[in-house]
Amino acid sequence: DGGITQSPKYLFRKEGQNVTLSCEQNLNHDAMYWYRQDPGQGLRLIYYSQIVNDFQKGDIAEGYSVSREKKESFPLTVTSAQKNPTAFYLCASSMAPTTSSPLHFGNGTRLTVT
Amino acid sequence: GQQVMQIPQYQHVQEGEDFTTYCNSSTTLSNIQWYKQRPGGHPVFLIQLVKSGEVKKQKRLTFQFGEAKKNSSLHITATQTTDVGTYFCARTASKLTFGTGTRLQVTL
Repeated sequence: DGGITQSPKYLFRKEGQNVTLSCEQNLNHDAMYWYRQDPGQGLRLIYYSQIVNDFQKGDIAEGYSVSREKKESFPLTVTSAQKNPTAFYLCASSMAPTTSSPLHFGNGTRLTVT
Repeated sequence: GQQVMQIPQYQHVQEGEDFTTYCNSSTTLSNIQWYKQRPGGHPVFLIQLVKSGEVKKQKRLTFQFGEAKKNSSLHITATQTTDVGTYFCARTASKLTFGTGTRLQVTL
């Protein structure tokens, strides 16, 4: 079955530590995205990538970094510079770089930083 | 970035009642997409609207795109407990920007 896999489902870290969230897709999609969702809030775009080896900042990129070395993978690093990292992180992909294609989401990673 | 506002933020209905959420933009939208997120889950794509004045139906769900392509609505007829969740609209441009969402609670 094709889909998007995010791991782990729950992640706990101490303040000051960097942490990397995994996102893998086997849908052969060109575009991938990272969103952040806070309780009772909408989705805010962190970074997106329309093609391998290229990515753009979204609306809230500060304190985050990404890489896109392979089409299937788009890991997100939450750095110690991110002031409020505790949140629900959602990875998504779409078939085409233009956003007229629907997004397919992974199950998300709940990150708690104490 | 350019925001997409949704109203209401929250609605609680009795099962069998109708429900409508509205999505408003200050700028013209090229396309609009709708997603549903169940509690604890991830957003799932419902539909995309492209044409001015477009109306699409999926069983009890009716989606409309405004004539000026600045607003959209999702109407659910005779809600069921399975409709519980948060409904998001999303504007498409170089990136997808989600609306603020409407959380629907349905009780028996």
